[in-house]
Amino acid sequence: SQQGEEDPQALSIQEGENATMNCSYKTSINNLQWYRQNSGRGLVHLILIRSNEREKHSGRLRVTLDTSKKSSSLLITASRAADTASYFCATGIQGAQKLVFGQGTRLTINP
Amino acid sequence: GAVVSQHPSWVICKSGTSVKIECRSLDFQATTMFWYRQFPKQSLMLMATSNEGSKATYEQGVEKDKFLINHASLTLSTLTVTSAHPEDSSFYICSEAGVPGTQYFGPGTRLLVL
Repeated sequence: SQQGEEDPQALSIQEGENATMNCSYKTSINNLQWYRQNSGRGLVHLILIRSNEREKHSGRLRVTLDTSKKSSSLLITASRAADTASYFCATGIQGAQKLVFGQGTRLTINP
Repeated sequence: GAVVSQHPSWVICKSGTSVKIECRSLDFQATTMFWYRQFPKQSLMLMATSNEGSKATYEQGVEKDKFLINHASLTLSTLTVTSAHPEDSSFYICSEAGVPGTQYFGPGTRLLVL
């Protein structure tokens, strides 16, 4: 069963604005990852943050992790039309190789 | 990251037939691969973990006799949907375990059962 919940389920913003997506999880984790999926395509790994890290940056992406609240956020700055996709958080569970995915946020960037 | 391919990219079949989906690691020896299913506008649900040379580990609620997984080599895992029914229509995605704890995903296979 899925353990991650993401909000919002859908987000529509204007190009150039920042987009923030949130993810919550239930169990202890080794790491938390964010993936992007364009419609009908496979997943692309964006960024991984370990359980002992609080914030990580990669280009226009900023990820935070609060293990006390069991939550993470993904911020995309200066959004572009090409950022339109679904974004999923996935948790690496302690003692297991598998990932558990959140429900995803469908992001639409309007030109 | 590693490159993972899937074949076919889409398939249409009649109800009751079996469909085989291949997942290949093109530049990495994958001892562990994963199979997911994704229904429209939903997230990925892990079906099973495929280990090279041993039996797959299925998630709760996934019928192992219906979804046959074979991981006979370090570069190939196959998923066979046996006696497919319309409710099996979905997007099937495989991945291989990377380091550390990441996964590299294939492009997916869209299955439509009529």
